[in-house]
Amino acid sequence: TQLLEQSPQFLSIQEGENLTVYCNSSSVFSSLQWYRQEPGEGPVLLVTVVTGGEVKKLKRLTFQFGDARKDSSLHITAAQPGDTGLYLCAGLWIYNQGGKLIFGQGTELSVKP
Amino acid sequence: DSGVTQTPKHLITATGQRVTLRCSPRSGDLSVYWYQQSLDQGLQFLIQYYNGEERAKGNILERFSAQQFPDLHSELNLSSLELGDSALYFCASSVGQTIYEQYFGPGTRLTVT
Repeated sequence: TQLLEQSPQFLSIQEGENLTVYCNSSSVFSSLQWYRQEPGEGPVLLVTVVTGGEVKKLKRLTFQFGDARKDSSLHITAAQPGDTGLYLCAGLWIYNQGGKLIFGQGTELSVKP
Repeated sequence: DSGVTQTPKHLITATGQRVTLRCSPRSGDLSVYWYQQSLDQGLQFLIQYYNGEERAKGNILERFSAQQFPDLHSELNLSSLELGDSALYFCASSVGQTIYEQYFGPGTRLTVT
């Protein structure tokens, strides 16, 4: 069974602070995705990382895929209230010409002005 | 707006009943995925269809079934409903049969009373 553990589960910070969310697994994934979900809406894909050691930047967000493709991190610099939401990591496991995403439990981020 | 539509947005029904949730994928997408999101289980993959055929199966109960029609829309049927089936049900779509980038719909909130 593939499992993804995200930490922390909840994070409440002040505007301007930096934060890091971690996503860990004992399984190797083909790729790993990060999503952001707002209340009452579906998750929105932020980034996909594919290669071990890969680093991607999206404005103030930096995503890293571990060398062994078992873990990932999301770092937000100078957080803003608009960053508030549920952040989900998801590992892609491919099999039988299909595939499935295994989601972490999510990190609920609250950025206070 | 992801381009994925789901109906209805809200559904309230009683235990033992049967409901059907509907999803229309983005134009051009051939794969449809169904997910269940609850507070205690997080976002769980249920099933994937690609061009009308089942491709991958996750934690889908025997009381639940799905299909994808020739026009590529999909329906998720939930029967003999229990209180624990109350959750958000999301549909997502992607171009190919292997997930690389999927887009989520706004979800259907099911409440079983």
